[in-house]
Amino acid sequence: NAGVTQTPKFQVLKTGQSMTLQCAQDMNHEYMSWYRQDPGMGLRLIHYSVGAGITDQGEVPNGYNVSRSTTEDFPLRLLSAAPSQTSVYFCASSYTGTEQFFGPGTRLTVL
Amino acid sequence: DAKTTQPPSMDCAEGRAANLPCNHSTISGNEYVYWYRQIHSQGPQYIIHGLKNNETNEMASLIITEDRKSSTLILPHATLRDTAVYYCIVRVDGGSQGNLIFGKGTKLSVKP
Repeated sequence: NAGVTQTPKFQVLKTGQSMTLQCAQDMNHEYMSWYRQDPGMGLRLIHYSVGAGITDQGEVPNGYNVSRSTTEDFPLRLLSAAPSQTSVYFCASSYTGTEQFFGPGTRLTVL
Repeated sequence: DAKTTQPPSMDCAEGRAANLPCNHSTISGNEYVYWYRQIHSQGPQYIIHGLKNNETNEMASLIITEDRKSSTLILPHATLRDTAVYYCIVRVDGGSQGNLIFGKGTKLSVKP
């Protein structure tokens, strides 16, 4: 099993650009989520999904969209990138929301 | 806001036990205590969790006080690779109620 994979590992955007951060898992987990981590801070929940076709907002959802068309994939879309979205983004998955498995992260810089 | 309080940093000598405390005085009866750790630049890693009984696995032990208002994560023989930020999290298991709320954690430095 590859576990939770995230692409790209690094990305630099200009203000106003849009992009999609990819997240995939091969463990057949129903629960998936996206977090962001700013320097010196803990992780903050952006969006989460309890199954295909079901998504909901977390603590800091503004500026981000998600969809869950399959169990395996949970992409995070930045609609119009802003410097405040410079952060490290982590995707996680779990079976029924218990022990969560995290991906290696995507380091995003918005200029 | 996180429902837990942890010291910002701790040191531990290599080979000794590392005891990381966590206060969670407002914990509800159906909330579990979870511990994760984050080694520099990596995604967080699950360590252990418990409801009210003490728990042990291959990585660590979790001691929860009888009133459940505090707990201690014990790494029995700390190594340099255990240097990380350790997060104590209380949450309800399952579904959307199981979202993790991270605080700033405890930065554990294991020294030779």
